[in-house]
Amino acid sequence: AQSVAQPEDQVNVAEGNPLTVKCTYSVSGNPYLFWYVQYPNRGLQFLLKYITGDNLVKGSYGFEAEFNKSQTSFHLKKPSALVSDSALYFCAVRSNDYKLSFGAGTTVTVRA
Amino acid sequence: DAGVIQSPRHEVTEMGQEVTLRCKPISGHNSLFWYRQTMMRGLELLIYFNNNVPIDDSGMPEDRFSAKMPNASFSTLKIQPSEPRDSAVYFCASPLPSTGELFFGEGSRLTVL
Repeated sequence: AQSVAQPEDQVNVAEGNPLTVKCTYSVSGNPYLFWYVQYPNRGLQFLLKYITGDNLVKGSYGFEAEFNKSQTSFHLKKPSALVSDSALYFCAVRSNDYKLSFGAGTTVTVRA
Repeated sequence: DAGVIQSPRHEVTEMGQEVTLRCKPISGHNSLFWYRQTMMRGLELLIYFNNNVPIDDSGMPEDRFSAKMPNASFSTLKIQPSEPRDSAVYFCASPLPSTGELFFGEGSRLTVL
């Protein structure tokens, strides 16, 4: 079985401040980890992924995430948040099979 | 590529009516997923097709729901009869074969009155 936990329902930050969205996972075998973003009334958009290699992964819109195997975490980060980053963020994990398991989502609000 | 295309974007219907949602995956993606998103339950996987064959339909809520993929470029999700609790946003997604990265459509927002 595989699962993802996003411990925070909401994250609020001021524009220009660092943004972190937390994710921990549980999976048998090597994890494939993903972050997606969803804007209102839109589908989910891919941000970045970790498959193998460097633990620090860089993605779209200035986001990055760090894979930490010992802590089974894959936190999403952005050094300087923008108001336009306000959205719903999903972490997801899969192992060697097809099924992608999503977290419950974290709503990010960046205030001007 | 136009991405994953879903129709209709919005559907309002009355309880008991049949609803058909449509999806065109990205060309070359040989798998397709249907998800349902609600505030209460978040994202739920309904069914997964690989090479047009349903592999896992354990997420389909009940017999009122059915899905087909007659060819690599088209899939339907049907609800008959529809009920108010089926109101949700239904997403179709197709994965990049090498990594499993999912590409989502814009969703079909269903309201059953």
